[in-house]
Amino acid sequence: AQSVTQPDIHITVSEGASLELRCNYSYGATPYLFWYVQSPGQGLQLLLKYFSGDTLVQGIKGFEAEFKRSQSSFNLRKPSVHWSDAAEYFCAVGAWNTGFQKLVFGTGTRLLVSP
Amino acid sequence: DTGVSQNPRHKITKRGQNVTFRCDPISEHNRLYWYRQTLGQGPEFLTYFQNEAQLEKSRLLSDRFSAERPKGSFSTLEIQRTEQGDSAMYLCASSLGGQGQRQNIQYFGAGTRLSVL
Repeated sequence: AQSVTQPDIHITVSEGASLELRCNYSYGATPYLFWYVQSPGQGLQLLLKYFSGDTLVQGIKGFEAEFKRSQSSFNLRKPSVHWSDAAEYFCAVGAWNTGFQKLVFGTGTRLLVSP
Repeated sequence: DTGVSQNPRHKITKRGQNVTFRCDPISEHNRLYWYRQTLGQGPEFLTYFQNEAQLEKSRLLSDRFSAERPKGSFSTLEIQRTEQGDSAMYLCASSLGGQGQRQNIQYFGAGTRLSVL
């Protein structure tokens, strides 16, 4: 069965410091991978996606992620964190059903940004 | 493009009552999804519509849950005889139809937070 593991429940980063959020997935075929961000009381906003091709993908708000097939990982990075990045981040894998994909999410990583 | 709209944003109800949520997808999207998110967890898939047809239901969707998309536009999710365990955020998402990678990008609404007392 498909699954996503986000091993860090909380991460605290100083403003201006770099960030890496970890994501490991389990999927039997070539995965479609996503990172979403959720601010308190809000829905999910798509940060970036990987379907194929270049394994380093760029997203919105200065985020990037690297797909590493050998490690079954899709870690999210940002070189310099801003206070407005404080939110919950979800990694997801697109699991194919009959003709559509459902998203299988990890449990999320809550990012706290200290001044 | 006004995004995915969900109403109400919050719903408080007593155990045993029925509740209904509405989702208006992005206008050109013919695929619609419902997910449920409980505290401290990621969203979990509930059901999927292509146009008006409900093509997939998760085992999480008990007999007390019913979803419709009568004209292939907005969708409703009804929970009958609510239980405290139904307390969660209910998220709706939509995507384009057809072939190609763009159909696999799901756009989410802000969700309806249900509290069952």
